[in-house]
This record gives sequence, structure tokens and C-alpha cells, in this order.
Amino acid sequence: NAGVMQNPRHLVRRRGQEARLRCSPMKGHSHVYWYRQLPEEGLKFMVYLQKENIIDESGMPKERFSAEFPKEGPSILRIQQVVRGDSAAYFCASSPGVGYEQYFGPGTRLTVT
Amino acid sequence: GIQVEQSPPDLILQEGANSTLRCNFSDSVNNLQWFHQNPWGQLINLFYIPSGTKQNGRLSATTVATERYSLLYISSSQTTDSGVYFCAVTPGANSKLTFGKGITLSVRP
Repeated sequence: NAGVMQNPRHLVRRRGQEARLRCSPMKGHSHVYWYRQLPEEGLKFMVYLQKENIIDESGMPKERFSAEFPKEGPSILRIQQVVRGDSAAYFCASSPGVGYEQYFGPGTRLTVT
Repeated sequence: GIQVEQSPPDLILQEGANSTLRCNFSDSVNNLQWFHQNPWGQLINLFYIPSGTKQNGRLSATTVATERYSLLYISSSQTTDSGVYFCAVTPGANSKLTFGKGITLSVRP
């Protein structure tokens, strides 16, 4: 049973470009979470999605960031017009339901030059 | 929101030593997880332990939910145990994990 998959593992973007991060949850998991680990700031929740629905986006920056989890295909975290402060490790996690154990993917390390 | 405090912030051990890592949280929780972030940055699930005691090899964990703390025990430490250990919780009916700042463990040969 494959774990949570994320791609790409490393992403380099220039300021002003768009970044698209993908996450495929574990088989049988319909709940997806995105977290960000900024240098010196620890891991912070960004957004929680179920298929075709955003359940909680209280941790998402108000501008430039969006997330989706379509009926078919992976969950996508999209960052428009990236800035240097967006450089971080972005982790995706999945679970079979609320309150269950969350399993994390290997992360995508975004570097903005 | 809920507060998660981990102690000590840093820990240096000689290989073979035992250690106890602590996690305090400020409200009742329905999920508590311990993770190990290895030097390559990957988050490894160690325990899902909202209450009670679990053991997995040299590692064990205990959560006393009524007193709002959890302990992670590492016995006979190895250099591969080095990294950062995170405790994370979800309060009530919430689903998002709130992480502590982590404990950086260095095991020296």
C-alpha cells in the first residue's frame, strides 16, 4: 500500500512565477491536509480538504495561495506570483476521517530565487 | 487556539543512553501524534496516541489526557535516532494538527 505521494520533491521558481504542488493521498483516504514548514517557524497548518470541498482554510494566506482536491486526481496547492518568503517545505498529509491518524508525504521543498 | 509545548528543546545523548521527551498541551484533544523528522526532512509517524500507552521496539509513548501531557521514551539510543521529534495534537472535533516547536535530539557515537 503506497504511502502519501508528493511531487515534485524539489521545486525552484523565480520570483513572480507560479508553483504547483501535487499530493496523492493514501489509498482509501479522502481527507487531505497541507502544512508548511518555514525555516525557524515550525510546522503550521494551511488547509484541509475533502473531495471537491475545502473544509478549513484558516491557515492559508489570503492572497496568492489556493488549494483544490478534485473528484479525480491529486490535490493541488497553487502559489501564484511567488516571493522569497514562500521558500519552505510543504507537506501533505492524509487520513481516512476526522480524528484519525494523519500520514505525511515526503514534502516538496520550494525555493524561490 | 491550543498551545503545545515540548521539552527540553535540545537533547544530546551518548549512544546507548535512555531519554524522555515531554509534550504538554493546553486543552483536551482527540488526536495526539509523535513524529520524527529525520536529517533528510521526512516526517516519520511514530505513534498515534490520544490516550494510554504504546510500545514499538525501543520506543514507547504514554499520554495522560486528563493531565494534558504525553511522554515519548527512547531506550538504548542509536545515532539514527538523531533528528527532531514533534508532538502534534487536534483539539475537540477539529481536524488540523497543531505542532509543538520540536525537540532536537543528537545521539553521539
